[in-house]
Amino acid sequence: GENVEQHPSTLSVQEGDSAVIKCTYSDSASNYFPWYKQELGKRPQLIIDIRSNVGEKKDQRIAVTLNKTAKHFSLHITETQPEDSAVYFCAASSFRDYKLSFGAGTTVTVRA
Amino acid sequence: GAVVSQHPSWVICKSGTSVKIECRSLDFQATTMFWYRQFPKQSLMLMATSNEGSKATYEQGVEKDKFLINHASLTLSTLTVTSAHPEDSSFYICSAREMETSPRGVYEQFFGPGTRLTVL
Repeated sequence: GENVEQHPSTLSVQEGDSAVIKCTYSDSASNYFPWYKQELGKRPQLIIDIRSNVGEKKDQRIAVTLNKTAKHFSLHITETQPEDSAVYFCAASSFRDYKLSFGAGTTVTVRA
Repeated sequence: GAVVSQHPSWVICKSGTSVKIECRSLDFQATTMFWYRQFPKQSLMLMATSNEGSKATYEQGVEKDKFLINHASLTLSTLTVTSAHPEDSSFYICSAREMETSPRGVYEQFFGPGTRLTVL
């Protein structure tokens, strides 16, 4: 099955700085890569996603890049704000079964 | 749109009892629903995939006789934890995927708010 690795496990940044989270996947058939933000006790919230036919996608302060050859994708958050503090998960799935395999998560803390 | 509800939001039960959790897609028809379990400070782990009208597919290591899943309609799936024990205490989250004909596409999963299960 798919194996998704995520780094770092924790990330502390100064408000206004950028945060980068990286993930790798193992299954070359994976073609959908969502990123989720989860606050304590809440459901995962989709913040951005990318499909394998696209190399980069941006939505305001959030961007995701995908390198299919290397099987890795990254989340970039610019101009971080205290409300960006949360746990972020990457995931991967394929049209074969649409199952999501999640990374271990990154706890992001934005220092004011 | 694309709202998924779960009931109950939290439940406390005694060891040995069974607990049923409902997952509903409120404004769309879900061809597939997924059940996840999340322990504190850990990631979401897929337990099973259910398709309407057919038997659920369980992930390796998940006991199908302990975690009974029923997907009776395109808007409702239930997870029953049978003979619950303290080690079953966890955050259970469902998600739903739309039908292939949906204009929103079929990749995105819409998550329910989760159910916190505590077994005493």
